[in-house]
Amino acid sequence: GAGVSQSPRYKVAKRGQDVALRCDPISGHVSLFWYQQALGQGPEFLTYFQNEAQLDKSGLPSDRFFAERPEGSVSTLKIQRTQQEDSAVYLCASSIRRTRQETQYFGPGTRLLVL
Amino acid sequence: AQKVTQAQTEISVVEKEDVTLDCVYETRDTTYYLFWYKQPPSGELVFLIRRNSFDEQNEISGRYSWNFQKSTSSFNFTITASQVVDSAVYFCALRPKETSGSRLTFGEGTQLTVNP
Repeated sequence: GAGVSQSPRYKVAKRGQDVALRCDPISGHVSLFWYQQALGQGPEFLTYFQNEAQLDKSGLPSDRFFAERPEGSVSTLKIQRTQQEDSAVYLCASSIRRTRQETQYFGPGTRLLVL
Repeated sequence: AQKVTQAQTEISVVEKEDVTLDCVYETRDTTYYLFWYKQPPSGELVFLIRRNSFDEQNEISGRYSWNFQKSTSSFNFTITASQVVDSAVYFCALRPKETSGSRLTFGEGTQLTVNP
């Protein structure tokens, strides 16, 4: 079956531009996660949805970052007024149920470069 | 707070050698879940294994094996008879049952290079 997909795979933005990153989770997966991965580092948690409800956004680094999942399926991570420090790979993951033992399956990521 | 430490930043081996990737974790939770993921150059994190804290049996899957030792808070990963296709960054991750929400806490990763 289809895995998690993300688009675009690569995005180059000028500093100050707004960007929108899309995530299509595995069909039927209740939980959806966004992570940020800086070069040479492990992924770091940004935010978590259970269906359409954003249950945890404590990892969002600033109010320029905004995520939504209005119909409980596709999610969009938006970054306003991008800064150079926003350059990273943004990974989306989904899991089938709510329980914390459930495995998170990751997409290929969107590599964002802010010039 | 949760923490995962992968002390080995880079490892280089020759094909057919065995290699062990170390992972040490910290958590106050008594129940937690540990994971290993592989990240090839394509960038996608590929799930390898999940281990529950209450199950200390070691596991073997083909050339892969995992050694979970609760007493030393370690969850090490061994690849037997390594192959060039094993070259990737490997991440260990922790997900406590009660605290830190539903997030995974990752280590810094170990870059494994298997040379022919």
